[in-house]
Amino acid sequence: GAVVSQHPSWVICKSGTSVKIECRSLDFQATTMFWYRQFPKQSLMLMATSNEGSKATYEQGVEKDKFLINHASLTLSTLTVTSAHPEDSSFYICSARGLAGQMGQFFGPGTRLTVL
Amino acid sequence: GESVGLHLPTLSVQEGDNSIINCAYSNSASDYFIWYKQESGKGPQFIIDIRSNMDKRQGQRVTVLLNKTVKHLSLQIAATQPGDSAVYLCAERMKTSYDKVIFGPGTSLSVIP
Repeated sequence: GAVVSQHPSWVICKSGTSVKIECRSLDFQATTMFWYRQFPKQSLMLMATSNEGSKATYEQGVEKDKFLINHASLTLSTLTVTSAHPEDSSFYICSARGLAGQMGQFFGPGTRLTVL
Repeated sequence: GESVGLHLPTLSVQEGDNSIINCAYSNSASDYFIWYKQESGKGPQFIIDIRSNMDKRQGQRVTVLLNKTVKHLSLQIAATQPGDSAVYLCAERMKTSYDKVIFGPGTSLSVIP
């Protein structure tokens, strides 16, 4: 089956630093990747949609300058949390969808970000 | 961000009983619905899906029911087992240019041995 990986699986950083999270589709080409954030005891909240080779589309209320998304290839998307603060501490999950016509959306294992 | 995230409701069931988890979705134009299982500290795992032109779909021990009139989705788990304890998330695919998937609030299922 389709596998999506994320790296790192967890990260702890100091307030004010930037953190990059990678999302890779391991055995398929992902034209579209999605980034979600999940706070404790809550559901997943969609942050942005990224398509390979074009700018990401951000959901309302998500700061594009704070959460930089790059989808440089059909197998890799990155999310950079810039100048992280404690309120950015969360579980970040990516998902990837294959080529046009495929219904499936496959999720990565998530990245736990803790900002001190 | 777009979200219907609220604090998770909980459901406790006895091992061996059937579980019914409900979800209200938001967009009448959504054409595809999915149930996911999420264990602590992990990403969502696909359980079962249903297209909007169907009312019911069955899998192994799971059944999804769709009522488009009242925008309601349910997941039935037969003979619930301790390994079924997890958070269950419903999701709808919104027919936009990117077909994004939006999650409902989810339900935390606890199976009592």
